[in-house]
Amino acid sequence: GESVGLHLPTLSVQEGDNSIINCAYSNSASDYFIWYKQESGKGPQFIIDIRSNMDKRQGQRVTVLLNKTVKHLSLQIAATQPGDSAVYFCAEKGGGYQKVTFGTGTKLQVIP
Amino acid sequence: DSGVTQTPKHLITATGQRVTLRCSPRSGDLSVYWYQQSLDQGLQFLIQYYNGEERAKGNILERFSAQQFPDLHSELNLSSLELGDSALYFCASSSPQGAGNTIYFGEGSWLTVV
Repeated sequence: GESVGLHLPTLSVQEGDNSIINCAYSNSASDYFIWYKQESGKGPQFIIDIRSNMDKRQGQRVTVLLNKTVKHLSLQIAATQPGDSAVYFCAEKGGGYQKVTFGTGTKLQVIP
Repeated sequence: DSGVTQTPKHLITATGQRVTLRCSPRSGDLSVYWYQQSLDQGLQFLIQYYNGEERAKGNILERFSAQQFPDLHSELNLSSLELGDSALYFCASSSPQGAGNTIYFGEGSWLTVV
């Protein structure tokens, strides 16, 4: 049958390897960025955030890098595990009452 | 558990009908956001409320409306439903306005229009 819906870019990585998920954002006025993980049928889950006055922030096994010059955001996951398999969204937000805008999403598949 | 509660979790209804989705934000959060996610689609922003007032509007259809009540819970009303309205509807909340306030999502309400 005919498929419907957006075809998400997919990143396949071997268990134990590092993953890098990239995101290009659109609004140069955005000053806050968030990465979310969404498992099938569940709500987006907060992973890590970064403000525009920073270019790097580290969490547990995750690192977010921000390059404002080229409006690029990346999420690095160290020692990727099967439980990391999900769709990852980046989101951008302006100051004050600005809405939060989500990127298209990237599907991460971890190969055991 | 994000602390954002959405009801109902699942809902099946017929075309032309009207439904109401409910959201209770995290304790202390004044902002509520509504998003729509269709099959294999990204998250489409619908509308945002802050302390009872509408603050930002996305591509929300005229058939859809929302409000935030004095107790800060919010409702999304979907009327004259069409098959294409079948989707996951997420509510999210955040603490008082300003950059750097993380937005937490509920588990969503699955709406199926038949």
